[in-house]
Amino acid sequence: ETGVTQTPRHLVMGMTNKKSLKCEQHLGHNAMYWYKQSAKKPLELMFVYNFKEQTENNSVPSRFSPECPNSSHLFLHLHTLQPEDSALYLCASSQEVSGGPDTQYFGPGTRLTVL
Amino acid sequence: KQEVTQIPAALSVPEGENLVLNCSFTDSAIYNLQWFRQDPGKGLTSLLLIQSSQREQTSGRLNASLDKSSGRSTLYIAASQPGDSATYLCAVPLHGSSNTGKLIFGQGTTLQVKP
Repeated sequence: ETGVTQTPRHLVMGMTNKKSLKCEQHLGHNAMYWYKQSAKKPLELMFVYNFKEQTENNSVPSRFSPECPNSSHLFLHLHTLQPEDSALYLCASSQEVSGGPDTQYFGPGTRLTVL
Repeated sequence: KQEVTQIPAALSVPEGENLVLNCSFTDSAIYNLQWFRQDPGKGLTSLLLIQSSQREQTSGRLNASLDKSSGRSTLYIAASQPGDSATYLCAVPLHGSSNTGKLIFGQGTTLQVKP
């Protein structure tokens, strides 16, 4: 256990559905991240939140909408997804310190399948 | 633009062998470099983090080295065991003005250790 939990672990949804992925970190970290891992592609950073403020949006389509209500919780709201959005979505957290980032701790991921 | 490459993409060895995984990066202005392990369908577990001022880090049977000037890192696994079978990923953060801890990942080396 890394101290980062994600729910659900598996999700199957149609292209017209709306669903949300949830991430919670129990490490007292001040930064949280969403990554996408597609088959045969490197992990891609999607969003970064520092102290609940979004500091990075890596050209992610608007059908993915992040929400960070506090420094321990991170959501990814999904709507009108495409089959190519099927992937493993990983959440991570870290403690941002002056001078640079620290080790990121990853959750187990949500395996998303879009039909 | 930072790019991270890992060679080989896959590796199969008999149990007990010592082995080396390679990681190269194009922009040497990195803050640190991390090696992660990922089991199939699971999240990432941080193995070693090497700060830019360090040359190597050791944890048990694992030793990671860093040569910033040549843009290379190696992960050495001693006396490999079947439980070491997993995908090994290296990642570097972009230390830009936003200081977000954005990680750039390689595609990974999938290791299989045969009993």
